[in-house]
Amino acid sequence: GQNIDQPTEMTATEGAIVQINCTYQTSGFNGLFWYQQHAGEAPTFLSYNVLDGLEEKGRFSSFLSRSKGYSYLLLKELQMKDSASYLCAVLDSNYQLIWGAGTKLIIKP
Amino acid sequence: IAGITQAPTSQILAAGRRMTLRCTQDMRHNAMYWYRQDLGLGLRLIHYSNTAGTTGKGEVPDGYSVSRANTDDFPLTLASAVPSQTSVYFCASSRAGGGTDTQYFGPGTRLTVL
Repeated sequence: GQNIDQPTEMTATEGAIVQINCTYQTSGFNGLFWYQQHAGEAPTFLSYNVLDGLEEKGRFSSFLSRSKGYSYLLLKELQMKDSASYLCAVLDSNYQLIWGAGTKLIIKP
Repeated sequence: IAGITQAPTSQILAAGRRMTLRCTQDMRHNAMYWYRQDLGLGLRLIHYSNTAGTTGKGEVPDGYSVSRANTDDFPLTLASAVPSQTSVYFCASSRAGGGTDTQYFGPGTRLTVL
């Protein structure tokens, strides 16, 4: 079967750095997405990785290792508004998105 | 403002009733999707449409039907609602089908079936 694993919940302090991990086992791989979802709102796009390595976009960076079936989202200089769920999704061999259950990130002052 | 709208925002429905969730986008995107989101689970694809006039089944299509008569609208119908269909439903769209394009989500419809 296809599987996306993320931690259910993480807590971090305002101003700090947090790394949210995602591991996957899917039938094929055509890219990995990260989305942010605030409580009661729609998911919004953060990043897309299809090649190995780190992609940086402001305070957010996303890393991919295809050989290890592993990605992480790195959030720097955490702000209270970063409190949200972070969803990892993998595009499989049929170009269908397989979604993880999401990681709820709680930011404390 | 360009984007995706969904209606209703929330609905309480008696089991056995028919219900249509509406979704409209004004970004001229070719592909549209319907997902359900349940606590502790990832988003699950119900149906999708890669272009007007075509539809396809996702991971959990049973009990749901869709149509795509034009580019902008993609309604989701529950023919006879059951309590297991209680969920938050998100409509999404992307410029092209095939998955590599970013998907943009509507605000969601919270449906409760009693």
